[in-house]
Amino acid sequence: QSALTQPASVSGSPGQSITISCTGTSSDVGGYNYVSWYQQHPGKAPQLMIYEVSNRPSGVPDRFSGYKSGYTASLTISGLQADDEADYYCSSYTRSSTWVFGGGTKVTVL
Amino acid sequence: QVQLVESGGGVVQPGRSLRLSCAASGFTFNTYGIHWVRQAPGKGLEWVAVISYDGSSKYYADSVKGRFTTSRDNSKNTLYLQMNSLRTEDTAVYYCAKDRWYCSGGTCSGIDYWGQGTLVTVSS
Repeated sequence: QSALTQPASVSGSPGQSITISCTGTSSDVGGYNYVSWYQQHPGKAPQLMIYEVSNRPSGVPDRFSGYKSGYTASLTISGLQADDEADYYCSSYTRSSTWVFGGGTKVTVL
Repeated sequence: QVQLVESGGGVVQPGRSLRLSCAASGFTFNTYGIHWVRQAPGKGLEWVAVISYDGSSKYYADSVKGRFTTSRDNSKNTLYLQMNSLRTEDTAVYYCAKDRWYCSGGTCSGIDYWGQGTLVTVSS
């Protein structure tokens, strides 16, 4: 159960767009559409931002969008805001009926 | 609103046991799968286990298989994680988290709500 691969950090200026990648294998990201993205502010519990690759829960701004191609899922944040500065994690269902998270990406708003 | 409240964390010596509880409210507990996820200090999220809505299906991460057991009491809207043979590397904040589906046969949709977590420290 190796962790999914995410960049350690991504940064952008307010108003810009950034994309975080999440790379797995055919046994997880590439094989299923059960990919989720979570935002975690320091000292807080994670919060769901995207589920099943590209679906936004109610209450999540449409500035957040998800996509998948092959073994790589992506989270795009458009119109970057100061409050978007946080850690972001992807997760995926796996062939073993288990789940795996990415290592996390720290988003910095310059 | 959905609420998940973990309890039972604390300091424990290596090799000893600890049981965590997770009290749920604000949703129909007996129709959803529930996960355990942990986060070591300063580290990322690590999935630990999942249990189906009725407790008939359970799956574990390799790192805890054979040492940790999850169970649920739907009459009390409570989830449990029994942790045996604890190791220093088990030190983490443990979250219980609700899935979007019932997780029958192990197939889930993914976590949509998280508790605030309880800290487990394994140290001599």
